[in-house]
Amino acid sequence: DAGVIQSPRHEVTEMGQEVTLRCKPISGHDYLFWYRQTMMRGLELLIYFNNNVPIDDSGMPEDRFSAKMPNASFSTLKIQPSEPRDSAVYFCASSRRIYEQYFGPGTRLTVT
Amino acid sequence: AQSVAQPEDQVNVAEGNPLTVKCTYSVSGNPYLFWYVQYPNRGLQFLLKYITGDNLVKGSYGFEAEFNKSQTSFHLKKPSALVSDSALYFCAVPGNYGQNFVFGPGTRLSVLP
Repeated sequence: DAGVIQSPRHEVTEMGQEVTLRCKPISGHDYLFWYRQTMMRGLELLIYFNNNVPIDDSGMPEDRFSAKMPNASFSTLKIQPSEPRDSAVYFCASSRRIYEQYFGPGTRLTVT
Repeated sequence: AQSVAQPEDQVNVAEGNPLTVKCTYSVSGNPYLFWYVQYPNRGLQFLLKYITGDNLVKGSYGFEAEFNKSQTSFHLKKPSALVSDSALYFCAVPGNYGQNFVFGPGTRLSVLP
């Protein structure tokens, strides 16, 4: 298995632009998680899905952030418009068994 | 609310020496406790977990963790550190909804040759 796949690995964009991060979970996993990691705030859960349905989005910072999971093998996290404070590493993780999440390599986002 | 604390931002240890990375927890009910490791420019990897049973839990890469209920601690240990163990280590507990995690702030381990 290739593990959790995230794209792009690096994204540099200007303030105000739309950013879309992509994730392909491990086949057979029915939970998918989006995290954000910064030096200041550490690792934060943004949203998670079960069977493609959003369960908890209380970590989504504001309306500029949105996440979708149109099918079991694909999810997106969109930021529109982006701001410099959104600069972070964004991780996607998936799991089948409770509490054993498998993380992707992350997308490093820089907003200038 | 569920929470974990990692009192040390940084731990330095010489190669071949034993290492300990500390974690204390505050949870309601029976604790489920986890350790994850993050190598440079990589995502987090599961190391080990405590759900129930023996207080000493063995995990990947020769790591183990000791659950101590009276001290509400779950310290990560390894008898002999390797330079390749240098990484960021996170202690975690399940969040209020059961499937998500509350992660500690992380402890950076540096193993010096």
